[in-house]
Amino acid sequence: QVQLQESGPGLVKPSETLSLTCTVSGDSISTYYWSWIRQPPGKGLEWIASISYSGSTNLSPSLKSRVTISLDTSKNQFSLKLSSVTAADTAVYYCARHPTVTLDYWGQGTLVTVSS
Amino acid sequence: NFMLTQPHSVSESPGKTVTISCTRSSGSIASNYVQWYQQRPGSAPTTVIFEDNERPSGVPDRFSGSIDSSSNSASLTISGLKTEDEADYYCQSYDSINSLVFGGGTKVTVL
Repeated sequence: QVQLQESGPGLVKPSETLSLTCTVSGDSISTYYWSWIRQPPGKGLEWIASISYSGSTNLSPSLKSRVTISLDTSKNQFSLKLSSVTAADTAVYYCARHPTVTLDYWGQGTLVTVSS
Repeated sequence: NFMLTQPHSVSESPGKTVTISCTRSSGSIASNYVQWYQQRPGSAPTTVIFEDNERPSGVPDRFSGSIDSSSNSASLTISGLKTEDEADYYCQSYDSINSLVFGGGTKVTVL
């Protein structure tokens, strides 16, 4: 059974960097593609970034200047960093797997609030 | 990049049929598969349709997907509507396998 679990601080100060990790169990991070998606309170889903099993990345055009996504194969994890955050970055952040173009396994999501 | 536009909300009575549209702003809807996700409050999304019209195991056949090149849109149809179908539904497509696009979401209310 594939499981994904997001972890990281629930509160980040404005202008600082948001850092989240997704720990994968039941599958190897060295296969398929892995994505971060976010959902501001009461709003829709927004794709942030993807990384492949080989480490190639693709970033949302609207966020790419602030986003870094990376793999840690030794820990079977992938991570997200979003710099210079503002209140507009407050959202539930999800990690997900996509072997093709379908997101088939999702984490439960973690709420990150940007506030001083 | 392109955008996917969905109606904000639809509502219908139990037992009836609802159809949610997802219109692609540029490029052909038929050139990239469309997926549909259901999201209940407080939960992560789950797939109800993938690759335009395929159902994952466990998803009832009341859910069906289609594409219409003439309107450049995809559709999710839920027939025999049940109270448990009340949720938000999102369409999703892609520019490449690792460049994803979501629609804005549609709230389905079962009256």
